Amino acid sequence: GAVVSQHPSWVICKSGTSVKIECRSLDFQATTMFWYRQFPKQSLMLMATSNEGSKATYEQGVEKDKFLINHASLTLSTLTVTSAHPEDSSFYICSARPPVTISYEQYFGPGTRLTVT
Amino acid sequence: LAKTTQPISMDSYEGQEVNITCSHNNIATNDYITWYQQFPSQGPRFIIQGYKTKVTNEVASLFIPADRKSSTLSLPRVSLSDTAVYYCLVGDNDNNDMRFGAGTRLTVKP
Repeated sequence: GAVVSQHPSWVICKSGTSVKIECRSLDFQATTMFWYRQFPKQSLMLMATSNEGSKATYEQGVEKDKFLINHASLTLSTLTVTSAHPEDSSFYICSARPPVTISYEQYFGPGTRLTVT
Repeated sequence: LAKTTQPISMDSYEGQEVNITCSHNNIATNDYITWYQQFPSQGPRFIIQGYKTKVTNEVASLFIPADRKSSTLSLPRVSLSDTAVYYCLVGDNDNNDMRFGAGTRLTVKP
């Protein structure tokens, strides 16, 4: 089956620094990737939708200058949390959708746990 | 956008069949219904997908009535390892609106 990886799986950083999270589709090309954030005991919250070669579309309330998304190739999207603060500590999950599918499918990565101290 | 509504939580016992219903009253003609399972600190995992009537795979069945305004995920003979949060999503290939609802937290007891 389709596999999506994320790196790193967990990261601890100091307040004010930036952190980059990678999302890769390992065995398929993904024209569309999604980034989610999940706080404890809560559902996944869609942050942005990224399409290869174009700017990401951010959800209302998500700061595009703080959460930089780059979808430079059909197998890689990155999320950079700039000037991270403790309130950015969360579980970040990406998902990817193949370009041609007969069903509404997306494949999720294992998530990245970010802790900002 | 087809909003979904699910029960917040459900309890069951090992060996029982569990049915989780999702309401999606404004589902569109081209929308599919997809269910995901999520364990703590993991990404969601695909369970099953359907458009109408009944779909069955090795882990679950999905029942969709003719009006498609709801769907029921059926897990036969659950075990402790089925304790997780279950989400239903509704959308089509062209719909990039991949928003999750609150999900249903299933707890399976021994």
